[in-house]
Amino acid sequence: AQKITQTQPGMFVQEKEAVTLDCTYDTSDPSYGLFWYKQPSSGEMIFLIYQGSYDQQNATEGRYSLNFQKARKSANLVISASQLGDSAMYFCAMREAGNQFYFGTGTSLTVIP
Amino acid sequence: NAGVTQTPKFRILKIGQSMTLQCTQDMNHNYMYWYRQDPGMGLKLIYYSVGAGITDKGEVPNGYNVSRSTTEDFPLRLELAAPSQTSVYFCASSYSRAEQFFGPGTRLTVL
Repeated sequence: AQKITQTQPGMFVQEKEAVTLDCTYDTSDPSYGLFWYKQPSSGEMIFLIYQGSYDQQNATEGRYSLNFQKARKSANLVISASQLGDSAMYFCAMREAGNQFYFGTGTSLTVIP
Repeated sequence: NAGVTQTPKFRILKIGQSMTLQCTQDMNHNYMYWYRQDPGMGLKLIYYSVGAGITDKGEVPNGYNVSRSTTEDFPLRLELAAPSQTSVYFCASSYSRAEQFFGPGTRLTVL
């Protein structure tokens, strides 16, 4: 089974609108971490947001928030007030106990002016 | 701070050749990682280290070796390069088990 599943290969959003990128995960570890990274066309990996499995509150970082639903094993990224510079690939990732990391296949986001 | 630096940026190898990808971080991070990213795919963990002298396998370690003699350096060795190792290689480091800082990547082609 896939450890991280991103079911949206490509998404479009109007500038200034909000968009949700889906991520589901699979683990039996009680302690794990969930991450979102942005990869622009230039290729670098940019950390966006982190959620620990024991965190009670959903993580937020500026315009990014992580909608963490533990029972459903989902960790969706919400980007509010989209900007043209948000156009990029977005990867969801999970760290299991033992420090193993797994990445999803990514979602390509295009922001339309 | 330079952060995480990787050399070289690009490299073309012939089948059967060997090479070392260099990775250095100046943030005094304990954790370091090597990933590969195949075209159109996410990253896959090759090896990681939780401190000098300690390394462990990730999801796709075959064909690679690592060492961690200092906190700063975490080189990745490719022995007997194969076309399947054509990829972009990213090194990353972290202070804790949370946020990772990535290097700019090395684009490797094996012909």
